[in-house]
Amino acid sequence: KQEVTQIPAALSVPEGENLVLNCSFTDSAIYNLQWFRQDPGKGLTSLLLIQSSQREQTSGRLNASLDKSSGRSTLYIAASQPGDSATYLCAVGEYKLSFGAGTTVTVRA
Amino acid sequence: DAGVTQSPTHLIKTRGQHVTLRCSPISGHKSVSWYQQVLGQGPQFIFQYYEKEERGRGNFPDRFSARQFPNYSSELNVNALLLGDSALYLCASSQSWGYSGNTIYFGEGSWLTVV
Repeated sequence: KQEVTQIPAALSVPEGENLVLNCSFTDSAIYNLQWFRQDPGKGLTSLLLIQSSQREQTSGRLNASLDKSSGRSTLYIAASQPGDSATYLCAVGEYKLSFGAGTTVTVRA
Repeated sequence: DAGVTQSPTHLIKTRGQHVTLRCSPISGHKSVSWYQQVLGQGPQFIFQYYEKEERGRGNFPDRFSARQFPNYSSELNVNALLLGDSALYLCASSQSWGYSGNTIYFGEGSWLTVV
């Protein structure tokens, strides 16, 4: 059974600081790893998808890396802004996604 | 284009009742999945349908059932509601099934409260 862990559960940073969010998974035989953002009481917004053959993906201020051998992915958010405050979830799988519990980020103005 | 749409957005039911939640996938998407998210946890996989056939089922009791219609929309049904069924129910859609690189898109969810 795939287990996904996200540490820390929460973090608070001042505006402008770079964010580093960690995700680890137990089964390295994954198809995809996807990062999502969830605002309070809302659904999930897809941020980045990394296929199993890739090592990283970038979109604007976001960069996600994937190391299958060590079972880890890292989401980097450059120059954080208050609007980045949300819960960030990583999920692994093809169609049946296994999620971590998320990291709740607060960016202080 | 419209994203994944779900209805109703909020509902309150009494223990023992039945509930039906509805989902319309993104136009052109043939795969629909359902997830349950309890407060403070990540979503848990319930069902996945592709081309109107069930392709996957999570570890949920038989009180949970779903189906997909010819237009690829989907319903999630829960019978004999328990207090523990209170959660955000999320629907997700994707273009296809069974290959790497398939981005999955989620709706805003249906908040179910069982009292």
